[in-house]
Amino acid sequence: GAGVSQSPRYKVAKRGQDVALRCDPISGHVSLFWYQQALGQGPEFLTYFQNEAQLDKSGLPSDRFFAERPEGSVSTLKIQRTQQEDSAVYLCASSLAFAGQFFGPGTRLTVL
Amino acid sequence: AQKVTQAQTEISVVEKEDVTLDCVYETRDTTYYLFWYKQPPSGELVFLIRRNSFDEQNEISGRYSWNFQKSTSSFNFTITASQVVDSAVYFCALSANNAGNMLTFGGGTRLMVKP
Repeated sequence: GAGVSQSPRYKVAKRGQDVALRCDPISGHVSLFWYQQALGQGPEFLTYFQNEAQLDKSGLPSDRFFAERPEGSVSTLKIQRTQQEDSAVYLCASSLAFAGQFFGPGTRLTVL
Repeated sequence: AQKVTQAQTEISVVEKEDVTLDCVYETRDTTYYLFWYKQPPSGELVFLIRRNSFDEQNEISGRYSWNFQKSTSSFNFTITASQVVDSAVYFCALSANNAGNMLTFGGGTRLMVKP
């Protein structure tokens, strides 16, 4: 497609459930980023891939968060044993090297 | 460490007024990039501009203009003759060479343009 797509757009999970969020980057973009945006705040960096290599995961808040991009294209962000504080919008972005990052519409996760 | 500060959390103007959104940044890197993004109520972040640290020339794109001043570490954004469709949250962001291109965002400024 023309832009970054994410699915699902909305996800409601019960506390303790595992969730998987998908990101399809712009075709040809080697860099892929995940950000977390809490209500009323700016996005915060979670992790970064260059092709299939995860080069930086310093922003992942706990070991319950895991991201992968096995073939250097689609990426999945997985959150295990979700907690209420995980409720946020999860944004995916892709870019060519040192160009502007283009964002998807985000997945709004609500943990009850 | 990198930091972006947008001191104005909310601005309200009447249509056709000019408005400037402030952005101040901190970084120890000599090579870096500055960005502005727009986030309308739909939630998607829309890329507006990217500037590198070596290019201090001001830029104009239609009703939008940007003023980059390295001496004051500022990258301000002005909307001329604002319109209701400009209502959104605007984010300033910074990316440094040795930070893997990750973006550090400011807290955002909510702009409300009233008819």
